[in-house]
Amino acid sequence: DAGVIQSPRHEVTEMGQEVTLRCKPISGHNSLFWYRQTMMRGLELLIYFNNNVPIDDSGMPEDRFSAKMPNASFSTLKIQPSEPRDSAVYFCASSRRERVAEAFFGQGTRLTVV
Amino acid sequence: AQTVTQSQPEMSVQEAETVTLSCTYDTSESDYYLFWYKQPPSRQMILVIRQEAYKQQNATENRFSVNFQKAAKSFSLKISDSQLGDAAMYFCAYRGGGSGSRLTFGEGTQLTVNP
Repeated sequence: DAGVIQSPRHEVTEMGQEVTLRCKPISGHNSLFWYRQTMMRGLELLIYFNNNVPIDDSGMPEDRFSAKMPNASFSTLKIQPSEPRDSAVYFCASSRRERVAEAFFGQGTRLTVV
Repeated sequence: AQTVTQSQPEMSVQEAETVTLSCTYDTSESDYYLFWYKQPPSRQMILVIRQEAYKQQNATENRFSVNFQKAAKSFSLKISDSQLGDAAMYFCAYRGGGSGSRLTFGEGTQLTVNP
């Protein structure tokens, strides 16, 4: 199994630009999470999906952030327009929906907005 | 809402010694799951150990064990015979018992292992 795949691994962009982060969950997993990690705020849950449906997006910081999961094998997190304070590592994780299932994480995308 | 608190931002231990990392949580649910994840400098999140709240027996995985105190809402991680490769950030995490529940993390504890 290839694990959770995120792309790109690193992204440097200028303030005001649109950024799209991508995630391919593990096949057969039907819960998907997007987290943001910073030194100041630790690991924050931004949004999570069950069976491609957003369940809780209360962690999405602003309307500049949006996430989609068009099918079971792909999700995107978009920031438009990006700002320097969005600089962070963004993780995608997936799990089976069973009760005791742990989440498996991707390698993360390090985003730098200059 | 569920919260997870790790009150030790940093800990250190001598190689081959034992260290305990603390975690407390707050929940109104009776059915839930707790996890410890390790994040080495590579930043990959790795599951170390998990505990089902309905199980009274503490989980153990080789040198890693937990002390789960449900009434006190405490979930500490003990690392025995610490190795240099154990140096990492450790996160405690909570997941509710309903299928497809959110996974909430604590602030993390940075563990240093001294040779």
